[in-house]
Amino acid sequence: NAGVTQTPKFRVLKTGQSMTLLCAQDMNHEYMYWYRQDPGMGLRLIHYSVGEGTTAKGEVPDGYNVSRLKKQNFLLGLESAAPSQTSVYFCASTYQNSPLHFGNGTRLTVT
Amino acid sequence: GQNIDQPTEMTATEGAIVQINCTYQTSGFNGLFWYQQHAGEAPTFLSYNVLDGLEEKGRFSSFLSRSKGYSYLLLKELQMKDSASYLCAAAYGGSQGNLIFGKGTKLSVKP
Repeated sequence: NAGVTQTPKFRVLKTGQSMTLLCAQDMNHEYMYWYRQDPGMGLRLIHYSVGEGTTAKGEVPDGYNVSRLKKQNFLLGLESAAPSQTSVYFCASTYQNSPLHFGNGTRLTVT
Repeated sequence: GQNIDQPTEMTATEGAIVQINCTYQTSGFNGLFWYQQHAGEAPTFLSYNVLDGLEEKGRFSSFLSRSKGYSYLLLKELQMKDSASYLCAAAYGGSQGNLIFGKGTKLSVKP
């Protein structure tokens, strides 16, 4: 039972490049989330999904897109990376009124 | 938005007791989570309070007062391994997605 798996673990992008972060969970959870974590800012919600085929904006959605085509996967896309998107990205999943299970994070640097 | 406030840093001595406070906005509030996060790692679940009162789990306890918009995490018999950031997160509204994190309290345990 792997839990929540994020790929890649590390990535360096140049400004303007695009990339997709993949999150996969094997716990049959309905809800999935993407957070970013910056020093002194805490965890901030980017987008989330309450089920397959549905997504919603969180606190800081600008510059990101997401898709939930399969229940077990939640993809986070950066179409044109900016230095302000340098951060640690965490994916999480859960079911109703239960704790979040986090992935190990993706450390992204945009130069 | 819903602000979650907690102290930025705290220091305590090994073997002592420390209380980390968290305040949140009460409108639409559903429940309160506490997570522990060691440097460079993903957050891990500590406790979840929905009703008023104290929940005890070994050396860790969490308290909630819904009317006051207040929670605290109590750590007893502090150990060096308890040095970490402690994240308070409040759930709002009918949607599972609206989980707002505080900026975290960095606890340093000294010998």
